Amino acid sequence: KQEVTQIPAALSVPEGENLVLNCSFTDSAIYNLQWFRQDPGKGLTSLLLIQSSQREQTSGRLNASLDKSSGRSTLYIAASQPGDSATYLCAVNSNSGYALNFGKGTSLLVTP
Amino acid sequence: GAGVSQTPSNKVTEKGKYVELRCDPISGHTALYWYRQSLGQGPEFLIYFQGTGAADDSGLPNDRFFAVRPEGSVSTLKIQRTERGDSAVYLCASSLVGSTLPYGYTFGSGTRLTVV
Repeated sequence: KQEVTQIPAALSVPEGENLVLNCSFTDSAIYNLQWFRQDPGKGLTSLLLIQSSQREQTSGRLNASLDKSSGRSTLYIAASQPGDSATYLCAVNSNSGYALNFGKGTSLLVTP
Repeated sequence: GAGVSQTPSNKVTEKGKYVELRCDPISGHTALYWYRQSLGQGPEFLIYFQGTGAADDSGLPNDRFFAVRPEGSVSTLKIQRTERGDSAVYLCASSLVGSTLPYGYTFGSGTRLTVV
């Protein structure tokens, strides 16, 4: 069974810092990996989707990398802003099915 | 529609009652998914529809939970004899499906169910 772990569980940084969120998964036979953002009391907003054949994806200040062989992905956020404060979830779509396996998320707080 | 719509946004019900949660996916998305998110946890898969049929219902916790998608669009998640442990946010997502596995998912805002 695919297990997804996110480290750290919570992170607080001052505005302007660059930061890295980590995601690891136990089964490297994945189809794709997706990073989501979740604001309190809200649904999930898709940030980046990396196919298994890709190494990274970029969108604005966000960059996600994928190392399938080692079972790891990172989400890099450049020049963080208070509006980036949210929970960030990593989800893996395994080759064996359509369900997404989620980590528990990293709760990010960017202070002014 | 422009996004995945879920209604109601909040539902409070008494233990033992029956509830229905509705999901209206993005037009043209053949795949629809239900997930459940408990406090402090990531979403957990419940059921996946491809068209009108439930292609994978392995995540449904027990026979009190049932979901339908009769016309291949709107889906309803039904919970009988609700228990306090059913309290959670129920999330719906939809996606296009390629030749093998799905493309990226779009999630709705969820229904927060509270069983008192």
